[in-house]
Parts: sequence; structure tokens; C-alpha cells
Amino acid sequence: DSGVTQTPKHLITATGQRVTLRCSPRSGDLSVYWYQQSLDQGLQFLIQYYNGEERAKGNILERFSAQQFPDLHSELNLSSLELGDSALYFCASRDQSGGGDGYTFGSGTRLTVV
Amino acid sequence: AQKITQTQPGMFVQEKEAVTLDCTYDTSDPSYGLFWYKQPSSGEMIFLIYQGSYDQQNATEGRYSLNFQKARKSANLVISASQLGDSAMYFCAMREGRSGAGGTSYGKLTFGQGTILTVHP
Repeated sequence: DSGVTQTPKHLITATGQRVTLRCSPRSGDLSVYWYQQSLDQGLQFLIQYYNGEERAKGNILERFSAQQFPDLHSELNLSSLELGDSALYFCASRDQSGGGDGYTFGSGTRLTVV
Repeated sequence: AQKITQTQPGMFVQEKEAVTLDCTYDTSDPSYGLFWYKQPSSGEMIFLIYQGSYDQQNATEGRYSLNFQKARKSANLVISASQLGDSAMYFCAMREGRSGAGGTSYGKLTFGQGTILTVHP
């Protein structure tokens, strides 16, 4: 167990639907990063939150949104799902308060859109 | 332009032999960090080793070492004494900007395309 918890582990849903992926960071970590891993695009950075605030945006579609709550858990919302959104979605957390370089990844949520 | 390039889609090695996985990077930022991750077939991302751009010595972690050649912008991973359990996908990644306090927005990692390593008995 890495300390970063992602739920659910697997998700199968139909096109056009909306899903929410959840991430609980490692205890004490203030930053949360979301990544998408697909066969054609590889590992792509989506978005970063630090202590509840959005800090950086990557290749995140407008249909996708995220937030980080006061207890530091984060949710990634994917709407109007398309077949191409099928991917492994990772959350990673990082302790930046002390300048550490350790990123800890969750085990990922495998999303299949049918 | 690719910031991280892994030119070896697949590599094969005999058990107990050493293997080098290549990674080149491109950045104009003088402060950056380089990472290697292992992704077995189960899918999780496992941190292996880290090298900071100002580190004078090459990083080592057990059987893993990072051959850091700053002038050539390469950060190759060397796995010594390969084991069957080393068979996996390996990713090189870079963080640009200085690591530090304050929740900098520089924290994202940029990944290469990965190298699939197969260890033969």
C-alpha cells in the first residue's frame, strides 16, 4: 500500500455518462496530481491541486473537471464520456512542505467506456 | 518537441545480467529532477530512483543506478543482476523547476513513452 488511495479500481460505463474518480493522498501530502495513461497518448498530466487550490493544468479536456476538498482528498469528474476516454487514471500526491521530491502514486482507476 | 525520449520500445535481458534503459531529456530550466518508475503488469507505478540536476553524484538505490550525463542530457537507468520480477514497463520522467516549499506549480512530471523490459531465465 503506497498510502495514496484511489477508488474505484475499475469502472465500466457507457458513452455519454458521467463518472467521479476519487483520490485520498498520503497523510500530510498537500499536492495532488492527476494523470491519464492511454495506449495512444501515454502518460499525460491532467491537473494539479495544492491545499485546495488549482495550481497547474495540463491536457485536460473541458469535459473533465477536478477539485480538492478541505480534507485534501480530490475528485476527478469525467462527463459526456467517449470511447477514447478509456484509460488508466492515476492520482499522485507529494509532500512539498519540506521540499521532498517523493511523488507517491495510487494504484489507479481503470476506466472502460463502452 | 518531446521533453523526455525513451528510444527503446522493448528490451530483453538474461537473468542476472545488467541492462541499461535509455532516457534523454530536453529542458532549458537549470533546475530539474529526473525520475524512473516501474510499472508491472498489475498497473501500479513504483518509484525507483531520483536524480536532481545539481546532484554531483549519480544516484543509486540498491540494484538501480542512474547514469546521469548532464551535458548530453541523458539519464539512463542501469539495473544490475536482473531478476525475473524486473520484467515490467519502465518510465523516465522529469520535473522542471526547483523542488521546494510553498506548493510550487512546477511539480508536474512529464513522462517518456516507456520501455518494456523482459527478463529471460
